[in-house]
Amino acid sequence: EVQLVESGGGLVQPGGSLRLSCAASGFTLSSSYMSWLRQAPGKGLEWVAHIEQDGSEKHYVDSVKGRFTISRDNARNSLYLQMNSLRVEDTAVYYCARDGSGWSVSWGQGTLVTVSS
Amino acid sequence: DIQMTQSPSTLSASVGDRVTITCRASQNVGIWLAWYQQKPGKAPKLLIYKASNLESGVPSRFSGSGSGTEFTLTVSSLQPDDFATYYCQQHLNYPRTFGQGTKVEV
Repeated sequence: EVQLVESGGGLVQPGGSLRLSCAASGFTLSSSYMSWLRQAPGKGLEWVAHIEQDGSEKHYVDSVKGRFTISRDNARNSLYLQMNSLRVEDTAVYYCARDGSGWSVSWGQGTLVTVSS
Repeated sequence: DIQMTQSPSTLSASVGDRVTITCRASQNVGIWLAWYQQKPGKAPKLLIYKASNLESGVPSRFSGSGSGTEFTLTVSSLQPDDFATYYCQQHLNYPRTFGQGTKVEV
């Protein structure tokens, strides 16, 4: 069974940093495209970032470019999202997802990031 | 960026109803469109990919159609478990953009 478990969320002040982790099991991470997506409270879904199987190619939504970095450690079956210079508008539940050829097949349960002073 | 627009934003329906949700793209996305279902407090669930392909384990009452800029998600006979919010997403290129969602309620 595919399992994705996010961790690392919490309360952070504007301008601060957080590192989210996603522990993957039940499938071969090294063969999978992976993404991070988010959902602000009461709002819709937003795709955030994507990484190819070997980490060679990464894509980001414009609003996080230069501030967020997606990475992976296939040996540790883990996906990461380093978030710097956090803004109030980054407040959301962050989901990691295993992708097919563009669509997100399996999702974790999410981790809440709150950016507030 | 490709803009995705769903209609309606809210849909009132009853068990047994045939329900159709429309998703329009601001430019041609071919068949590169997915549909997700989300219930309150839960992660989204993939229903349809590449416009009309039913994800494994998804009931056959769900179907998707369309290509180019106009797509539909149809539930042939609404069940109690289907009251949820539905999102379309284009997966042609980056950034992968979602529609604003359609809430199906009683």
